[in-house]
Amino acid sequence: GAVVSQHPSRVICKSGTSVKIECRSLDFQATTMFWYRQFPKQSLMLMATSNEGSKATYEQGVEKDKFLINHASLTLSTLTVTSAHPEDSSFYICSARGIGQGAYNEQFFGPGTRLTVL
Amino acid sequence: KQEVTQIPAALSVPEGENLVLNCSFTDSAIYNLQWFRQDPGKGLTSLLLIQSSQREQTSGRLNASLDKSSGRSTLYIAASQPGDSATYLCAVSRLGAGANSKLTFGKGITLSVRP
Repeated sequence: GAVVSQHPSRVICKSGTSVKIECRSLDFQATTMFWYRQFPKQSLMLMATSNEGSKATYEQGVEKDKFLINHASLTLSTLTVTSAHPEDSSFYICSARGIGQGAYNEQFFGPGTRLTVL
Repeated sequence: KQEVTQIPAALSVPEGENLVLNCSFTDSAIYNLQWFRQDPGKGLTSLLLIQSSQREQTSGRLNASLDKSSGRSTLYIAASQPGDSATYLCAVSRLGAGANSKLTFGKGITLSVRP
């Protein structure tokens, strides 16, 4: 149980285009989803927290107009990188927390999406 | 601001050795601490979660301990195997943040177990 998927697993795009990444909780309802970014040899940095049906809360320094997050249902959150540039190339990982899943406050992580902007 | 430190950044050991990975955090007001495994280019696999009221958790060859007062946790791996080679990440969540409790991660320790 508590499986989280991400799609796509890998994407290459041209500079200036927008890319959408999906995060799904497959066997539970995720009341809260988190989006992280990871640079090589670095730790995961939280970008934003989203609760179903409400606006995402962004961490300091994360541009909300560049990284659009939608959590429209209890099983799906999307991250759209708008007007992507090479410096946006990174590994993006989502996680989800649901009622009755795991320990209280436990997050379950997706497999990640590797974004390369040319 | 919570900071999580994992030292050393990399570790190489021969197969069969018992080893300890260390994690330290600056703010002891944590809700829980998790240890994760990450293989190259992959997502995170949760290994152990310790609630703030607990001292340790065990799963198979893994044992994680927590000392909140000193801001330390250790992950003990018994009889290491080449398949244990991966990056091990430690993360803590805040106390009192409710449903939006956030995880703060260390940079991880990259473990290599030599056959």
